[in-house]
Amino acid sequence: EIEMTQSPATLSVSPGERVTLSCRASQGVTANVAWYQQKPGQAPRLLIHTVSTRATGVPTRFSGSGYGTEFTLTISSLQSEDFAVYYCQQYSDWVTFGQGTKVEFK
Amino acid sequence: EVHLVESGGGLVQPGRSLRLSCVASGFTFDDYAMHWVRQGPGKGLEWVSGISFNSATIGYGESVEGRFTISRDNARNSLFLQMNNLRPDDTAVYFCAKDRYTNLSGGLPHWGRGILVTVSS
Repeated sequence: EIEMTQSPATLSVSPGERVTLSCRASQGVTANVAWYQQKPGQAPRLLIHTVSTRATGVPTRFSGSGYGTEFTLTISSLQSEDFAVYYCQQYSDWVTFGQGTKVEFK
Repeated sequence: EVHLVESGGGLVQPGRSLRLSCVASGFTFDDYAMHWVRQGPGKGLEWVSGISFNSATIGYGESVEGRFTISRDNARNSLFLQMNNLRPDDTAVYFCAKDRYTNLSGGLPHWGRGILVTVSS
């Protein structure tokens, strides 16, 4: 099973800051990576698929990059509604999720 | 608009069985792969199982392999998860999710609200 390791576990930030979240795969997954946002009591929301393609309706401040084993989700200027937990996911070999990064208010 | 509604959850004793259902609407069900994803209390997301549009390709997460069975009925726009030999660590909210494509491509743009399964004596 491919493991996805996210860092950091928690990120304390202020609105307006640039945020970078990392995800490392235990083996190569080419470009088969997605990112999700989850708020308390809600289902996850797909933000990005195929490393860098934004899902429908996702603001342009969200962007993804990477290939192979190293991936990044960047929020260019954090808004108040972006405080949430973010998960990466690989779907190269079945499906696995990272353990999540919580973006909290500083 | 896509709607996914899970049902069948509840409290069950360890070792017993439970069958979850997910009814889909708002899209052509038999054009898409489907998944079950769960989230234990205070924990992250865990992929449980996925099934291709025609049931030809099926996969399971390591922790449920051999105990859970996924299936679908395209005529009834329904997805199922038969859970046998349940354990306390199966306690979670179970989400039904729609894939982007016919096969298991990942990238899950639509999710149900989830259904709680509690395994306890």
